[in-house]
Amino acid sequence: AQKITQTQPGMFVQEKEAVTLDCTYDTSDPSYGLFWYKQPSSGEMIFLIYQGSYDQQNATEGRYSLNFQKARKSANLVISASQLGDSAMYFCAMREGGSNTGKLIFGQGTTLQVKP
Amino acid sequence: DAGITQSPRHKVTETGTPVTLRCHQTENHRYMYWYRQDPGHGLRLIHYSYGVKDTDKGEVSDGYSVSRSKTEDFLLTLESATSSQTSVYFCAINKRLEGSTDTQYFGPGTRLTVL
Repeated sequence: AQKITQTQPGMFVQEKEAVTLDCTYDTSDPSYGLFWYKQPSSGEMIFLIYQGSYDQQNATEGRYSLNFQKARKSANLVISASQLGDSAMYFCAMREGGSNTGKLIFGQGTTLQVKP
Repeated sequence: DAGITQSPRHKVTETGTPVTLRCHQTENHRYMYWYRQDPGHGLRLIHYSYGVKDTDKGEVSDGYSVSRSKTEDFLLTLESATSSQTSVYFCAINKRLEGSTDTQYFGPGTRLTVL
């Protein structure tokens, strides 16, 4: 069965430093997609970045990049030059490619606090 | 902005009462989803819809029913609310941006408390 694991319940980072949020996944489907969402204290879910299982290069989106290691089944989110506004909960999610329903499986989330 | 609204945004109700949450979208997307968010569990899929009157169960569907009589509206009903259904409920749609993949975008959420 597909599963997403985020092992870091909480993380701290100094402002302007880089931080890596871990995500490991398990699936038997060779085709899948991995997503990261941000949930600030206001509660909305904000899409950040996507990585497809067949993508040759790691995805990047501004200060966000995805460190995709397929053999290790990991899809870690890297935030460069952290800002105070990055303080939020971050969720990793997976969609199996064999399904056309678009359903996502989410990890438990990691709370990131950026210190000034 | 994916044009998704949820109503009500907050609700307090008593055990045993029926509750209906509404999700409304303005962009004519085919797929719509209901998730619940609880501490330590992330988001879990309750039900989803792939068209008018076409729905299916998700991971945590017990105690919930859904209906979609119009493309723009997806309703989640708790027939007889229980305290274990106290949660934050998110609606989502599937949207494909140009040059990208299908991505889920979420509504603002509904905080439901069952006393």
